[in-house]
Amino acid sequence: EPEVTQTPSHQVTQMGQEVILRCVPISNHLYFYWYRQILGQKVEFLVSFYNNEISEKSEIFDDQFSVERPDGSNFTLKIRSTKLEDSAMYFCASSDNRNSPLHFGNGTRLTVT
Amino acid sequence: GEDVEQSLFLSVREGDSSVINCTYTDSSSTYLYWYKQEPGAGLQLLTYIFSNMDMKQDQRLTVLLNKKDKHLSLRIADTQTGDSAIYFCADYYQKVTFGTGTKLQVIP
Repeated sequence: EPEVTQTPSHQVTQMGQEVILRCVPISNHLYFYWYRQILGQKVEFLVSFYNNEISEKSEIFDDQFSVERPDGSNFTLKIRSTKLEDSAMYFCASSDNRNSPLHFGNGTRLTVT
Repeated sequence: GEDVEQSLFLSVREGDSSVINCTYTDSSSTYLYWYKQEPGAGLQLLTYIFSNMDMKQDQRLTVLLNKKDKHLSLRIADTQTGDSAIYFCADYYQKVTFGTGTKLQVIP
């Protein structure tokens, strides 16, 4: 069964550094998402992306964050200047249309020291 | 804004049925989902139900939806130790909003 893949599985970075989290959505999917889960807390929506532009973003997704689909297969989340509170599990998801269930990757655990 | 609430913890004996409950506030929700998260893993879609349905059964899983009360439940029949995980309900209207998650502990 096709799946969403995320790399790396764990990223450690120093405060103030830039990180790029990578995702390969399911190949025929058109809608892409990033969510995050701070340890022990809810899974929170960050951003949705369709047709090469952001469809919706949450208040968490401020100027520090950006997303990109640099080619036909990858979908990336960039955090420009990481803060300690950015430490979380970041999940990428995709769906084939706006109303279909989201399929999630296994996540990237980001640790900011 | 929308809110999705679940009880935090449920403990059952192996072989019993588990019922995980969820309430949501957004009456415009079009879909409701159940996801399973095992330790250190991603979110696995278990099942989903359209908002115009009352019930959906899929092998050991039964989803009940009471749209009037905005209440969703997931019943797992013959619960196994491999069912131990955190279960998230989520609703969809323009975006997916997750509940707080219910940790299911299955006692052998």
